Amino acid sequence: QVQLQESGPGLVKPSQALSLTCTVSGGSISSGDYHWTWIRQPPGKGLEWIGYIYDSGYTYYSPSLKGRVTISLDTSKNQFSLKLNSVTAADTAVYFCARGPGELYGDPTYFHSWGQGTLVTVSS
Amino acid sequence: AIQLTQSPSSLSASVGDRVTITCRASQGISRSLAWYQEKPGKAPNLLIHDASNLESGVPSRFSGSGSGTDFTLTISSLQPEDFATYYCQHFNSYPITFGQGTRLEIK
Repeated sequence: QVQLQESGPGLVKPSQALSLTCTVSGGSISSGDYHWTWIRQPPGKGLEWIGYIYDSGYTYYSPSLKGRVTISLDTSKNQFSLKLNSVTAADTAVYFCARGPGELYGDPTYFHSWGQGTLVTVSS
Repeated sequence: AIQLTQSPSSLSASVGDRVTITCRASQGISRSLAWYQEKPGKAPNLLIHDASNLESGVPSRFSGSGSGTDFTLTISSLQPEDFATYYCQHFNSYPITFGQGTRLEIK
């Protein structure tokens, strides 16, 4: 059974970049057929989809974050990562990595595997 | 972006009650809808996908229905472990969006 675990700094200063990594175990990130995804949840609020990467390196981002977000893949470490530039207090959230069934260039999907989430606070 | 509106936003119920939560999409999404349960400090757990398909391992007291713009999640007989927040999510088109959540509390 695949497991996902987020890691990264819990505190980031405004205007700097937020960087998180999701380590996948129990399955290969190169196996295809999945969208490796980042989702976030501001404290006390709902869920926001950030974007996904396919094992080929193809990415698709939310229009609301496009231009600030990059998702990348490290198949040698079985990890994928999130980088969000120029953060503000509005980017304070629990960040989840997740996996959902999907094809390259494929339709959106749902998410059957999630990490536990990691809280990132943007503050000086 | 497609907006999902859940109702009610919060709900009080008792163990054994039958509960229904509604999710309305701002435009038709066929049956491209999923439901999740979230407990404090935990990741969301997929309950239903494609509007009515029960995810493996999810108790049969959970069921989903609907298509187009109107969807429901029903819990046939509430158990103590069901008190949580429930979210719908569409996957009809990009960007993926979620409902604002329904908090289910013990009466």
